[in-house]
Amino acid sequence: DAKTTQPTSMDCAEGRAANLPCNHSTISGNEYVYWYRQIHSQGPQYIIHGLKNNETNEMASLIITEDRKSSTLILPHATLRDTAVYYCIAQYGQNFVFGPGTRLSVLP
Amino acid sequence: EPEVTQTPSHQVTQMGQEVILRCVPISNHLYFYWYRQILGQKVEFLVSFYNNEISEKSEIFDDQFSVERPDGSNFTLKIRSTKLEDSAMYFCASSRTGVSNEQFFGPGTRLTVL
Repeated sequence: DAKTTQPTSMDCAEGRAANLPCNHSTISGNEYVYWYRQIHSQGPQYIIHGLKNNETNEMASLIITEDRKSSTLILPHATLRDTAVYYCIAQYGQNFVFGPGTRLSVLP
Repeated sequence: EPEVTQTPSHQVTQMGQEVILRCVPISNHLYFYWYRQILGQKVEFLVSFYNNEISEKSEIFDDQFSVERPDGSNFTLKIRSTKLEDSAMYFCASSRTGVSNEQFFGPGTRLTVL
């Protein structure tokens, strides 16, 4: 079973920041937090990952709480193309366990 | 930008037939994976492969499944005797390392078993 919980769905206005929360209260010290998204039935697309520190790349920012029990993915300026299912995965090693994710709808 | 490719994009087969799904991972990646997604359900891990052998597999990956890296570029998933419930999207992925490294997914093969 997935070790993370996420809201089932969220809406965000186009051009605004989308903040997607994830709880991983049972995460262990060596497990990374990964974020992927899936648009329609395409292959999951890597967004970002981190262990303890906050991370930023060209797509998003990842904020991990100090106790590592939760994190937030931030899409700074959401566009209609960001409408997708977003998956938060807490994992060490090769076997990614996907939960149901958060369905983000970016509204015009 | 390098990407994982998969062929065919859609495969239709009769129940009981064997199918081979093909993947070309990113060229400098060492770890390879298969996942499946039944329509409307979660993405599920099947198997990971490193150094020419299976490194992890899930309960789904039973004796009817096998994987192979027949040459330096292809990575295949064989389903020996397909069942109706094998109908799903099958995603191949690859990564440079097995830990703390992102997995890059291919576009998937939609398998339909009739």
